[in-house]
Amino acid sequence: DSGVTQTPKHLITATGQRVTLRCSPRSGDLSVYWYQQSLDQGLQFLIQYYNGEERAKGNILERFSAQQFPDLHSELNLSSLELGDSALYFCASSVRPSGALNSYEQYFGPGTRLTVT
Amino acid sequence: ELKVEQNPLFLSMQEGKNYTIYCNYSTTSDRLYWYRQDPGKSLESLFVLLSNGAVKQEGRLMASLDTKARLSTLHITAAVHDLSATYFCAVSAYSGAGSYQLTFGKGTKLSVIP
Repeated sequence: DSGVTQTPKHLITATGQRVTLRCSPRSGDLSVYWYQQSLDQGLQFLIQYYNGEERAKGNILERFSAQQFPDLHSELNLSSLELGDSALYFCASSVRPSGALNSYEQYFGPGTRLTVT
Repeated sequence: ELKVEQNPLFLSMQEGKNYTIYCNYSTTSDRLYWYRQDPGKSLESLFVLLSNGAVKQEGRLMASLDTKARLSTLHITAAVHDLSATYFCAVSAYSGAGSYQLTFGKGTKLSVIP
């Protein structure tokens, strides 16, 4: 158990709908990352937040957005869903750089499996 | 753009045999990670390699990093069925504002056959 939690575990919805995925990072971790894993695209970085602020963007579609709240949990919002959005969505968290060499190791949550029908 | 290539993508090996998975990457980085993923499950961190020449071992798995060659290897010794999983390497690149972004390889699906 990595200490990162994600809800829901599974989500089935129809095309055109909007869903929200939730992530709570490990206690003390300030950075949250979102990834999408699909058979054809592999594991792709979507977006990173650090202490409430967006820090880096990867291959995130404009229909997708995210935020990190003051309690450090994060939500990924997916709208106007298409069949191709069906995937496993992972959240990961990492510790804040402490000045010493930091591994920036990311700890992954269990994932949310999204199925768009 | 950082590219990470793993090979092989599929590996079927007999129990007791040795094999190596390779991870090549395209730009300078001194942080490389190996993860394991079981079907439908999350990614489990195996190794963190932070410097040139780093070697880490855990059980039947050993990982190494050559930053000059931009190459990491994951060596499997005397494979057992429990090692069957997909193994990913991921390379860290600085993305600005004190942040590092991971780029993953496509993964190597390992099947260990009795």
